[in-house]
Amino acid sequence: IVMTQSPGTLSVSPGERATLSCRASQSVNTNLAWYQQKPGQAPRLLIHGASSRATDIPARFSGSGSGTEFTLTISSLQSEDFAVYYCQQYDEWLWTFGQGTKVEIK
Amino acid sequence: QVQLVQSGAEVKKPGASVKVSCKASGYMFTGYFIHWMRQAPGQGLEWMGRINPSNGATYYAHHLQGRVTMTRDTSISTVYLDLTSLRSDDTGVYFCAKAFDSSGAAWGQGTLVTVSS
Repeated sequence: IVMTQSPGTLSVSPGERATLSCRASQSVNTNLAWYQQKPGQAPRLLIHGASSRATDIPARFSGSGSGTEFTLTISSLQSEDFAVYYCQQYDEWLWTFGQGTKVEIK
Repeated sequence: QVQLVQSGAEVKKPGASVKVSCKASGYMFTGYFIHWMRQAPGQGLEWMGRINPSNGATYYAHHLQGRVTMTRDTSISTVYLDLTSLRSDDTGVYFCAKAFDSSGAAWGQGTLVTVSS
């Protein structure tokens, strides 16, 4: 299953809303996760099951979608949210990741 | 809480082998697959394969078959990744991760493997 994220880079001002997209080449049901990664760190799980926030993840992060189209929304960007975001499918026992969306300061 | 702790950084010469460990705690070790991923410098995440700690069954990404081996030691709740015939493009950070459950997934902290002559 090929995962395609868009856009590649998203320029957003602090306090604004960010919307990231992820498309699967075939249905993954709701077996979709979103991660945040900062330089030198391991990926941090934000969302699993397409819309369930992981432990200790702030409410400004939300996920939606099912099948082949998914969205991660950050309602009001904070300084610590500027990072690279990856989607991942785990519908198959072999995992695949999107290529990432970099969220940068506008 | 669920935790995966990986072994430390390695520096290897081309053609050598590397073995990375991933010690699990906080859950039933034999109940969940462990997956391995890697990330080359400045690049995205690449899935390498997975192991069933219960019976040792493995499945590897096609392009790594023949060079990668995943094993486990249930007595110490640890899985291992062996990669042979190292090349410069094997340089990167290697991660283990526990399969998803209702709480999500847990990842190790990563192990930097540098292949350089």
